Amino acid sequence: NAGVTQTPKFQVLKTGQSMTLQCAQDMNHNSMYWYRQDPGMGLRLIYYSASEGTTDKGEVPNGYNVSRLNKREFSLRLESAAPSQTSVYFCASSEVVSSGGYTFGSGTRLTVV
Amino acid sequence: SQKIEQNSEALNIQEGKTATLTCNYTNYSPAYLQWYRQDPGRGPVFLLLIRENEKEKRKERLKVTFDTTLKQSLFHITASQPADSATYLCALDGSSNTGKLIFGQGTTLQVKP
Repeated sequence: NAGVTQTPKFQVLKTGQSMTLQCAQDMNHNSMYWYRQDPGMGLRLIYYSASEGTTDKGEVPNGYNVSRLNKREFSLRLESAAPSQTSVYFCASSEVVSSGGYTFGSGTRLTVV
Repeated sequence: SQKIEQNSEALNIQEGKTATLTCNYTNYSPAYLQWYRQDPGRGPVFLLLIRENEKEKRKERLKVTFDTTLKQSLFHITASQPADSATYLCALDGSSNTGKLIFGQGTTLQVKP
């Protein structure tokens, strides 16, 4: 019953450092997504993967890269962190979205100092 | 420009009353619209989906309406309880059949005993 698991839950980075946020789902969903959530901005799509082997940019992809490692795992990498990337990051997965919703992870709270 | 708007002001109601939250959108033609609940420090949780050809959808104490002419969805919680206090997000498909959801900023509901 794990659903979508994100690691780590909290992270503090210095400007210029790199890190990878991990996401795994155990529901056999084809599609996976990375969103960031900022106060007053709502959830904004960074990258998504419609199926294993494919990735595409969302609304705010600059400064990020993704890897769909296999059907279960979708990672988000910050190559050179900036204070503007301080945010809460959510991973989500879905099957056919027109019949059901996303399943979200519990989020990673990232602070870049 | 494309917009999804939810009332940014918190909605405060008395226990037992019906809460009504509004989601308006501009320059989208969504095939469906979804509602999510988000508690502090947690990821959003899917509640309901309503399709463009459906006027109304119900689930227990929840009711959603979808008016494609007004470009508006209303989300009702009847017999509200303090446990219903949370932020509620609406989301719609930004482009047909991609599975990508565009989220509103959310409205915070506070139910007082």
